[in-house]
Amino acid sequence: DVKVTQSSRYLVKRTGEKVFLECVQDMDHENMFWYRQDPGLGLRLIYFSYDVKMKEKGDIPEGYSVSREKKERFSLILESASTNQTSMYLCASSSMGRGQGDTQYFGPGTRLTVL
Amino acid sequence: GQSLEQPSEVTAVEGAIVQINCTYQTSGFYGLSWYQQHDGGAPTFLSYNALDGLEETGRFSSFLSRSDSYGYLLLQELQMKDSASYFCAVGGGFKTIFGAGTRLFVKA
Repeated sequence: DVKVTQSSRYLVKRTGEKVFLECVQDMDHENMFWYRQDPGLGLRLIYFSYDVKMKEKGDIPEGYSVSREKKERFSLILESASTNQTSMYLCASSSMGRGQGDTQYFGPGTRLTVL
Repeated sequence: GQSLEQPSEVTAVEGAIVQINCTYQTSGFYGLSWYQQHDGGAPTFLSYNALDGLEETGRFSSFLSRSDSYGYLLLQELQMKDSASYFCAVGGGFKTIFGAGTRLFVKA
């Protein structure tokens, strides 16, 4: 069974803290993605990676960085958390392809609150 | 720019048929996908159309017209468990662009 796991379901941090969100997939997928989901805005792509150590900016990369040292693991880092980064963060993975119907498999999400 | 438009909310009664529309404006179109997300859950893949026409999967069907940059998701024999948000998405390159989602309320 396909599985994408995220390190936490709920996380509360303080402004200025460094935050790590971890995502692991067990499907040997090449592509991994980080989205944030906010009401009325749908899913917005923060960063994606199509190979180990490779990363590409999505639509809203400001304030975030990522790391992909191993194929199965993709980390999202908030260098200095701010209240406007309070959101639901979703990780996804897909097999190789250039968006041609490559189904994305999502993790359960991490609801991050920054106080 | 790239954008997808879908209604924010749709309400229907149990047993009925509902259609959720999606219009898109993107560069580099590879296909239209649909995802379902229940409250508190992760989005899950429902269907994908690369070519014009209707794709049927059980009670759900999805349609695409590339010339009109338009597609829809058709849900038949609605059940209470179909109450969820539905997202259309288009893929271009490695990026998939998602619509803002349509919240479907199914009433008894």
